[in-house]
Amino acid sequence: AQSVTQLDSQVPVFEEAPVELRCNYSSSVSVYLFWYVQYPNQGLQLLLKYLSGSTLVKGINGFEAEFNKSQTSFHLRKPSVHISDTAEYFCAVRLNTDKLIFGTGTRLQVFP
Amino acid sequence: ETGVTQTPRHLVMGMTNKKSLKCEQHLGHNAMYWYKQSAKKPLELMFVYNFKEQTENNSVPSRFSPECPNSSHLFLHLHTLQPEDSALYLCASRPGQGARQETQYFGPGTRLLVL
Repeated sequence: AQSVTQLDSQVPVFEEAPVELRCNYSSSVSVYLFWYVQYPNQGLQLLLKYLSGSTLVKGINGFEAEFNKSQTSFHLRKPSVHISDTAEYFCAVRLNTDKLIFGTGTRLQVFP
Repeated sequence: ETGVTQTPRHLVMGMTNKKSLKCEQHLGHNAMYWYKQSAKKPLELMFVYNFKEQTENNSVPSRFSPECPNSSHLFLHLHTLQPEDSALYLCASRPGQGARQETQYFGPGTRLLVL
C-alpha cells in the first residue's frame, strides 16, 4: 500500500539558511510525487512534482527536490530561505488516477 | 491563484442549520474533489467526481451531501453538522488522466465553524 512519511512535524530555521524537508514514500506502482505548500488561511499550492525523467526537480520560489528511488525519498530543499517561506509543506504520492496520499505536513518556521 | 474558487471563505453555523459550500473552476478540468483538513490530522479525501459522476465516497457521513451539476461546479450541502465537523474544507480539480494531467489544483478553502 502506498504511504507518505514526513518525519519532521516542525522545522525551525533562520532566514538565509538552507533547509531540507524530508519525505519518504512507499509505492508499488509508478511513482508520481508532489510537494504542496499551504500559507496561513489559504489552500494548497503546487510547489513542484516528479513524474519521470530527471531526478532533480525544480519548482517555484527557489525550491527543488530530488527523487531517490533506492532510498524511496523525495526531500525538498532550498539553499536560502526567506521569512515569506514560513508555511506548512505537504508531500504527496499518487495512489491512482483519482487519489493522492498526503503526508501529515511539516511546518517550516523561518526566524529573522 | 489556481483558478479554483470557493465560497464562502468563512462560515459559522449551528448544528440545526443547513448550508452549502460552493466550488467553481473554469479551467476545463474533468475531475473535482472535496477534502477536509482538520488541525493536526492529515488531509482527508471526502468525495471525487469525474465528468460529473461521483467516483469516490470515502465513508463520509450522510450529513455531508455533494452535488456536481456540471464539470465546472461542485457543491457540498451541509445539514445537522456536529462541532467536530469544524475544519477547513478544500476543493480541488484535476485536468484529466495520464501523468501530466493528474496534478490537483486547490482552491483557498472554506473555514467552517459548527457551534
